[in-house]
Amino acid sequence: QVHLQESGPGLVKPSETLSLTCTVSGGSITSYYWNWIRQAPGKGLEWIGTIDYTGSTIYNPSLKSRVTISVDTSKNHLSLKLRSVTAADTAIYFCARQSMASGWFDYWGQGTLVTVSS
Amino acid sequence: SYVLTQPPSVSEAPGKTARISCAGNDIESKIVHWYQQKPGQAPVLVLYYNTDRPSGIPERFSGSNSGNTATLTISRVEAGDEADYYCQVWDSSSDHRVFGGGTKLTVL
Repeated sequence: QVHLQESGPGLVKPSETLSLTCTVSGGSITSYYWNWIRQAPGKGLEWIGTIDYTGSTIYNPSLKSRVTISVDTSKNHLSLKLRSVTAADTAIYFCARQSMASGWFDYWGQGTLVTVSS
Repeated sequence: SYVLTQPPSVSEAPGKTARISCAGNDIESKIVHWYQQKPGQAPVLVLYYNTDRPSGIPERFSGSNSGNTATLTISRVEAGDEADYYCQVWDSSSDHRVFGGGTKLTVL
């Protein structure tokens, strides 16, 4: 059974960089599409970006200038970096898997709350 | 960029049928997936490829996609169906994944 687990600091200061890791267990990180999705308190789901099995990335235009998603196949994990954060970046951050670009998100992590505050 | 519009809320009595819409330009040309999210939990897939149910999802959940609107239909609504529901598509022109704003289903 595939399991995804997000990890990283729960508190980040404004203007600093948010860094999260999603560790994948029970399956290989290769041959899939890996996504970061976030949900601000009381709000809906917002797609942040995707990295595929070739290492190609695509980002939400609203975040593109501040986001980097990468994969470390040796550790079977993916990472998210969001630069120059503000309070508006406070959210639960999820990682999720797709089998194809047009496919559904079949496995999700439990999510991790990141609060941006001084 | 592609936009999906959902009603913020839908209410229905137990045993009745709830319909949640997801509007998008020519959405029928896209593949729509639906997720259920209960408080404090990650979303769970309830429909994929417009109409297909994952194993474990009751037959009461069904879907359609025509014209500019996709619809999630929940028949014989139960208290346990109360949750937020999100539609999602892949916009092939931009390679973006897109979520609707979500609909809160209240079971009266």
